[in-house]
Amino acid sequence: NAGVTQTPKFRILKIGQSMTLQCTQDMNHNYMYWYRQDPGMGLKLIYYSVGAGITDKGEVPNGYNVSRSTTEDFPLRLELAAPSQTSVYFCASLGVPDGYTFGSGTRLTVV
Amino acid sequence: GDSVTQMEGPVTLSEEAFLTINCTYTATGYPSLFWYVQYPGEGLQLLLKATKADDKGSNKGFEATYRKETTSFHLEKGSVQVSDSAVYFCALMEYGNKLVFGAGTILRVKS
Repeated sequence: NAGVTQTPKFRILKIGQSMTLQCTQDMNHNYMYWYRQDPGMGLKLIYYSVGAGITDKGEVPNGYNVSRSTTEDFPLRLELAAPSQTSVYFCASLGVPDGYTFGSGTRLTVV
Repeated sequence: GDSVTQMEGPVTLSEEAFLTINCTYTATGYPSLFWYVQYPGEGLQLLLKATKADDKGSNKGFEATYRKETTSFHLEKGSVQVSDSAVYFCALMEYGNKLVFGAGTILRVKS
């Protein structure tokens, strides 16, 4: 049972480039989330999804897009990377009785 | 909106010392409360939780009690070990099953 898998683990982007952070879960959880973690700031919610085809904005959605075409996958898209998007990104899923399960994170640097 | 405030770190203790990490929250209603732990280079893991007032969550020697009167959920451990060195996050679950995190507290335990 792999849980929540995120790829890549590390990435350096140039300003203006785009990329997709991948997230896959194998627990058949309906709820999935993307958080970013900045030093001394805790985790902030970017986007979340309550099921396939349904997504909604979190606290800090600007500069990001998501899609949820299947229960398993919840990719996060950065269209025009900016230095302010340098952060560690965590994907998570939520199910009963597992509760929240977090991926191991993607460390993104925008230069 | 809902928020979580936890004591700033880093907290540096000697092995076998008593640990307290303070956490207070602001929320409408009575949310479920959580402590998560993050070891270096890893994602977040659930440490313990409490779902209603006066509940005590416990795991691996850590405890926290849901105090409605003081809107607090302080984390305690009677005797810390070097292996407890990590970042600890207090969090609440708000409407929509979304987690709201505190800023995190770094714990360093010296042998």
